Amino acid sequence: KQEVTQIPAALSVPEGENLVLNCSFTDSAIYNLQWFRQDPGKGLTSLLLIQSSQREQTSGRLNASLDKSSGRSTLYIAASQPGDSATYLCAVRKVYNFNKFYFGSGTKLNVKP
Amino acid sequence: DADVTQTPRNRITKTGKRIMLECSQTKGHDRMYWYRQDPGLGLRLIYYSFDVKDINKGEISDGYSVSRQAQAKFSLSLESAIPNQTALYFCATSDSTGTSSYNEQFFGPGTRLTVL
Repeated sequence: KQEVTQIPAALSVPEGENLVLNCSFTDSAIYNLQWFRQDPGKGLTSLLLIQSSQREQTSGRLNASLDKSSGRSTLYIAASQPGDSATYLCAVRKVYNFNKFYFGSGTKLNVKP
Repeated sequence: DADVTQTPRNRITKTGKRIMLECSQTKGHDRMYWYRQDPGLGLRLIYYSFDVKDINKGEISDGYSVSRQAQAKFSLSLESAIPNQTALYFCATSDSTGTSSYNEQFFGPGTRLTVL
């Protein structure tokens, strides 16, 4: 059974800081990993998707990395802004059951002005 | 207009009532999913569907049923609602046939359900 863990559960940083969010998974046989952002009362917005053959993906100030051997992914946010405040979730899709996504419980980020 | 829509957005009901949550999508995706989100537990898969004739149980399907009325519509029913089904419910879609968005999931805005 795939378990996905996100630590810390909450993070508060001052505006302008670079920060890293962590996602760990127990089964390294993954098909891909997807990072989402969730704003209060709203759905999930897809940020980045990394295929198992890739090491990283970038979009604007966001960079996601994947290390299958260690069971880890990180989401790097450069020059954080108050508008980045949200909950960030990662989801893993397994190779032999890629019809399902396994979600972490998220990291709630607060960027203080 | 949103690509994945859910109705209602909020619903309060009583124990024992039958409830239906609806999901529609204009993305043309073949696969649709229902999740529930509880504080501290992340998202858990209830049911998923690969096409109109293919319905599959997820990890927490007990107490729920679904109907895929068309490729664009996927409904979730609670036959007899109970308080521990109070949660935020999300519908999602993905495309098994495309290239640029292959495997990526897209979510609706969610339905907040409260069972008293």
